[in-house]
Amino acid sequence: SYVLTQPPSVSVAPGQTARITCGGNNIGSKSVHWYQQKPGQAPVLVVYDDSDRPSGIPERFSGSNSGNTATLTISRVEAGDEADYYCQVWDSSSDQEVFGGGTKLTVL
Amino acid sequence: QVQLQESGPGLVKPSQTLSLTCTVSGGSISSGSYYWSWIRQPAGKGLEWIGRIYTSGSTNYNPSLKSRVTISVDTSKNQFSLKLSSVTAADTAVYYCARYMPAAIPAGMDVWGQGTTVTVSS
Repeated sequence: SYVLTQPPSVSVAPGQTARITCGGNNIGSKSVHWYQQKPGQAPVLVVYDDSDRPSGIPERFSGSNSGNTATLTISRVEAGDEADYYCQVWDSSSDQEVFGGGTKLTVL
Repeated sequence: QVQLQESGPGLVKPSQTLSLTCTVSGGSISSGSYYWSWIRQPAGKGLEWIGRIYTSGSTNYNPSLKSRVTISVDTSKNQFSLKLSSVTAADTAVYYCARYMPAAIPAGMDVWGQGTTVTVSS
C-alpha cells in the first residue's frame, strides 16, 4: 500500500518559517491535505488539494506538492502553531485514505 | 454550521463488536454531495482511516480492517454508524467521525467530531 513519510519532529523559533515535508512515491500526482492537531483535540484541516486553505485558516499556512514531496509551510510561526501535523492522500490503487505518521512542530 | 458528535460504549470486551454512532446537527446528512468518514487514533500514535460512506450508501474501507468493518447511514436519524467486529486490545483508540469537504472528488475532511475513547478490555 501507499506510504507517506513525515519527519517525526520539526523545531522553529517564533517568527521564523516552518516547513514540514510529506514524502511519497510520485505524490505530486495526488492531492494532498494537511491537518493540525493540538493535544486532546480533533484534527483541523489547514490545507487541502495541495495548496488551498479552508475558510478561517490564516494565510500563514500554505502548501506545495511536486515530484515525491509535498510541503506544508507555516510562515511567521507563533507559539499557538505548536501541534502535530499530518498529511493525507487518497490512494486510488487500494481505494483508501492514507495518513502520514505525523510531525510534531515545536516552537522554541 | 454542521457539527458532529460521536456516541457509544466506552468499554468493549475482546471478541465483541464495537458500535459507534455519529450524529449530524446543523444540517441534513442527505443534503448535498458529502462523504462521511471514521478515523481512529491510538493513544500517542497517528491517525488511521477506517472508512467512509457516501450519502447514497456506497462505502470504502481500509483494506486492513475491511473484513471487520461496516459503515452505514440512517438518514431518518441524521446519523451514520460504525461497527467493528471481533475487537482486540489493538482496537483501543479515540474514534473520530468526520465529513469530507463538498466536492465531486472527496478532498480533505473539514468537519470533525470531538472524538470518543473506546477501550477494549475484559
